[in-house]
Amino acid sequence: DGGITQSPKYLFRKEGQNVTLSCEQNLNHDAMYWYRQDPGQGLRLIYYSQIVNDFQKGDIAEGYSVSREKKESFPLTVTSAQKNPTAFYLCASSIEAGSSYNEQFFGPGTRLTVL
Amino acid sequence: DAKTTQPPSMDCAEGRAANLPCNHSTISGNEYVYWYRQIHSQGPQYIIHGLKNNETNEMASLIITEDRKSSTLILPHATLRDTAVYYCIVRAPYNQGGKLIFGQGTELSVKP
Repeated sequence: DGGITQSPKYLFRKEGQNVTLSCEQNLNHDAMYWYRQDPGQGLRLIYYSQIVNDFQKGDIAEGYSVSREKKESFPLTVTSAQKNPTAFYLCASSIEAGSSYNEQFFGPGTRLTVL
Repeated sequence: DAKTTQPPSMDCAEGRAANLPCNHSTISGNEYVYWYRQIHSQGPQYIIHGLKNNETNEMASLIITEDRKSSTLILPHATLRDTAVYYCIVRAPYNQGGKLIFGQGTELSVKP
């Protein structure tokens, strides 16, 4: 089945530790995105990547880092510099970031809790 | 970035049409209107999108006003499984990566 997988679904970390969230897609999509969602809020864009080996900051990139070494993978690292890391993290992909048809497919999300 | 305004919540009776409004008065000529929905603790699901003309697919219809300053998402026969938060989004221009800018959405409750 084609789709986006995120693992794990729930993640717990101690304060001060870096943690990497996985996102893999087998849709052959060019563009991938990371969003953060806080309770009762909409999604906010952290980073996005339109092609391999290239990525851009979104609206709330501070305290996060990403890499795009392969087309199908876009891992997100939540660093100790992120002041409020506890949130629901969603990964998405689309065929091409700048195309007129930009349906984004979302993964199931990872709920990160920092203790 | 063009912003959208939606009512925070709405109720709809099961089997009736659900009409969800959205204002996007600052939309520019090349920006599309997208609708997504999110069932609790899941990833958002694409519903429909449009530029100028009304659109219909198997899930819903999208009505965009002639001046493009507002739109309405119509779920023709709402079911309990349509209970979700619905996001109206204006897609950013290409030089911003075509990113989707999510507001707080409308929480639709479909009641028996």
